[in-house]
Amino acid sequence: AQKITQTQPGMFVQEKEAVTLDCTYDTSDPSYGLFWYKQPSSGEMIFLIYQGSYDQQNATEGRYSLNFQKARKSANLVISASQLGDSAMYFCAMREGAFGNEKLTFGTGTRLTIIP
Amino acid sequence: DADVTQTPRNRITKTGKRIMLECSQTKGHDRMYWYRQDPGLGLRLIYYSFDVKDINKGEISDGYSVSRQAQAKFSLSLESAIPNQTALYFCATSDPGGYQRDTQYFGPGTRLTVL
Repeated sequence: AQKITQTQPGMFVQEKEAVTLDCTYDTSDPSYGLFWYKQPSSGEMIFLIYQGSYDQQNATEGRYSLNFQKARKSANLVISASQLGDSAMYFCAMREGAFGNEKLTFGTGTRLTIIP
Repeated sequence: DADVTQTPRNRITKTGKRIMLECSQTKGHDRMYWYRQDPGLGLRLIYYSFDVKDINKGEISDGYSVSRQAQAKFSLSLESAIPNQTALYFCATSDPGGYQRDTQYFGPGTRLTVL
């Protein structure tokens, strides 16, 4: 079974609209972390946001927020007021495992295109 | 200056050649990682090192080897390159402590083509 599932291979969104990128995960570890990364066409991987499994509140970083629904095992990224520079691949990732034995698993990504 | 650097940024080589990709970091992190990215796939872990004396195989280590020369340096070698090792290679570092525990920070990537 896939540990990280991103069901949207591609999305097109009008500039200034909000966008939600879906991510579901599968783990039996009670302690885990969820991450979102952005990969623009230039290729680098840029860390956006982190959510710990014990965090009581949804994480926010500027225009990025993480809609964390633990019971549903989902960790959707919400980008408010999208901009042309948000066009990129977005990867969801999960860290699990006991301390000293953690592994990070990536989803296959969603390509977001912002339309002017 | 970038916190995580990779050299070279691009490399074209021939089948059978030995290739070394280098990674350096100034973040002071103990943990370092090597990933490869293929089109349509996410990143897959090749090797990782939690400190200078600790090196572990990842998901796809066959055909690769690594060396952790110092806390700040982690090199990936392809002993005898083959075409299906053509990919984008990333180095990453992390710190297991802190609020955003073990967040990995990536270098700019090395685009490797094996002919």
